[in-house]
Amino acid sequence: GENVEQHPSTLSVQEGDSAVIKCTYSDSASNYFPWYKQELGKRPQLIIDIRSNVGEKKDQRIAVTLNKTAKHFSLHITETQPEDSAVYFCAASSPAGKFYFGSGTKLNVKP
Amino acid sequence: DAGVIQSPRHEVTEMGQEVTLRCKPISGHNSLFWYRQTMMRGLELLIYFNNNVPIDDSGMPEDRFSAKMPNASFSTLKIQPSEPRDSAVYFCASSYIDPGTDTQYFGPGTRLTVL
Repeated sequence: GENVEQHPSTLSVQEGDSAVIKCTYSDSASNYFPWYKQELGKRPQLIIDIRSNVGEKKDQRIAVTLNKTAKHFSLHITETQPEDSAVYFCAASSPAGKFYFGSGTKLNVKP
Repeated sequence: DAGVIQSPRHEVTEMGQEVTLRCKPISGHNSLFWYRQTMMRGLELLIYFNNNVPIDDSGMPEDRFSAKMPNASFSTLKIQPSEPRDSAVYFCASSYIDPGTDTQYFGPGTRLTVL
């Protein structure tokens, strides 16, 4: 089955700096790659996603890149703010719709 | 749209008791997923249904866990008997599986504590 690895497990940045979280996957059949943000005590919420026919997608301060050949995708957050502090999960989805989640990255943005 | 609804939001029970968690997916969605989240194991998929039919239950820990989806708008996850190691947050998520729109939307979760 699919195996998704996520790095780093924790990331601490200064407010205004950029943050990058990376994920790799193993199954070349995976075709959908969402990113979720989970604040403490809350549900995971989708922040951005990308499909396998696209290499990059941007939404204001967040962007995701996908390298299908290397089987890795990354989340980029620019101009970080304290409210970006949360745990971020990547996932890879099989064509059947089953998600395989990474282990999560705890992002801490220091004011 | 009310989103995915779960109940109860918190459940405290004693070891050996039966626990039933409930989920109402987003109207129109054809797939429903049950996840368990703990600090040690992260987000684990327990089971998922497509059009009310269980498709993959390989994540169900053991026979003490069972899940049903009697209709498109309701699902239950039952633990009988419960054990302290079952303490976790249980999330339900739903999606419409289609090549273009299969984003999963999570419910608020049920925090289960087994004493």
